[in-house]
Amino acid sequence: DTAVSQTPKYLVTQMGNDKSIKCEQNLGHDTMYWYKQDSKKFLKIMFSYNNKELIINETVPNRFSPKSPDKAHLNLHINSLELGDSAVYFCASSQVSNEKLFFGSGTQLSVL
Amino acid sequence: GESVGLHLPTLSVQEGDNSIINCAYSNSASDYFIWYKQESGKGPQFIIDIRSNMDKRQGQRVTVLLNKTVKHLSLQIAATQPGDSAVYFCAELNSGNTPLVFGKGTRLSVIA
Repeated sequence: DTAVSQTPKYLVTQMGNDKSIKCEQNLGHDTMYWYKQDSKKFLKIMFSYNNKELIINETVPNRFSPKSPDKAHLNLHINSLELGDSAVYFCASSQVSNEKLFFGSGTQLSVL
Repeated sequence: GESVGLHLPTLSVQEGDNSIINCAYSNSASDYFIWYKQESGKGPQFIIDIRSNMDKRQGQRVTVLLNKTVKHLSLQIAATQPGDSAVYFCAELNSGNTPLVFGKGTRLSVIA
């Protein structure tokens, strides 16, 4: 009965590859997010979607493309992976936009 | 005591003592604040929130204090336990479709 679940937990890949991270929430929330956490633990918003519509896109390279097939899912596809993409990516959701976010357990992406 | 290391600021406390984690926020227009706890290998977990029309809010063993004059937020944890060891983040929100902005985080280490 996990509230926000994301897969995979770990992702190790070569530079130049394309990869996807999946996220699902069963809380009935309207808004979903992707955050990136760097090696210094700094958390930064990447995207937010409300009812499948893009609300926030924080100057993320267009190699990153979020896709929301329905309001319970927000997947993140990354093209042409670069070394600097290595980080932990967190999916989150909330009932009220930008308030009281519930986070998934993270996907640790390592680009070699 | 509190120290600023090469990475996250770290606060070390004895088990049973009270902990105070401080946060200076940047935007005087922010009107909603949240504290999150992040344990190793997990996503941030909501602890407590407060709106700008309040200066204090209490939860179970935690209290958040807000001083809007000096743009300062603190989290007090009573009778700190080993399970409280984690990285703590404050986050601020300027209402509207602006994203939740996270602070840099403070690592709390509880000494048994």
